[in-house]
Amino acid sequence: NAGVTQTPKFQVLKTGQSMTLQCAQDMNHEYMSWYRQDPGMGLRLIHYSVGAGITDQGEVPNGYNVSRSTTEDFPLRLLSAAPSQTSVYFCASSLTGPNTEAFFGQGTRLTVV
Amino acid sequence: GNSVTQMEGPVTLSEEAFLTINCTYTATGYPSLFWYVQYPGEGLQLLLKATKADDKGSNKGFEATYRKETTSFHLEKGSVQVSDSAVYFCALSDYITDSWGKFQFGAGTQVVVTP
Repeated sequence: NAGVTQTPKFQVLKTGQSMTLQCAQDMNHEYMSWYRQDPGMGLRLIHYSVGAGITDQGEVPNGYNVSRSTTEDFPLRLLSAAPSQTSVYFCASSLTGPNTEAFFGQGTRLTVV
Repeated sequence: GNSVTQMEGPVTLSEEAFLTINCTYTATGYPSLFWYVQYPGEGLQLLLKATKADDKGSNKGFEATYRKETTSFHLEKGSVQVSDSAVYFCALSDYITDSWGKFQFGAGTQVVVTP
């Protein structure tokens, strides 16, 4: 019953460092997405993918890259971390189609100092 | 574009009190509506959903009815417990205007239930 697995759970970066947040799902979901959660702003979509080899930008894509080489994995890369990227990051997956629910990972709490 | 507006928190209430969290939405298509719950330190999990007008979603004593005429999906529970303390998110997915699987979330409402 793994579902959506995110690693790491916590991370502290220095400004300018790069890192990759990992996300894997074992439900054979076509759709995967990354959100960031900030106080008072709900969840904002960073990038999403509707299948292997297909990605697109969401609401707040600047400073982040993604790729989708397999159905299972959808890593999020921070190219040059900035304090404004301090947030909690959630990966989600779902089937494509109407009325489907999203399944979320446990989240990664990232602090950029 | 599509949007979700929900009441600000925190909402603080005593055990066994009645809970209502207001949620209204704007959508150009035929959205499905969801309530997600986030317990401390965890990810979001689906609480309930409704896929068409007048549908009522229910789970764990929580209910919400899809009201197209008022574009609302208010969450209610008749008697809350301390274990219901969490952040609640209203969300929509509109397969007409967005890729299937793309969700729009409200800002979240923190609920604190005291013994």
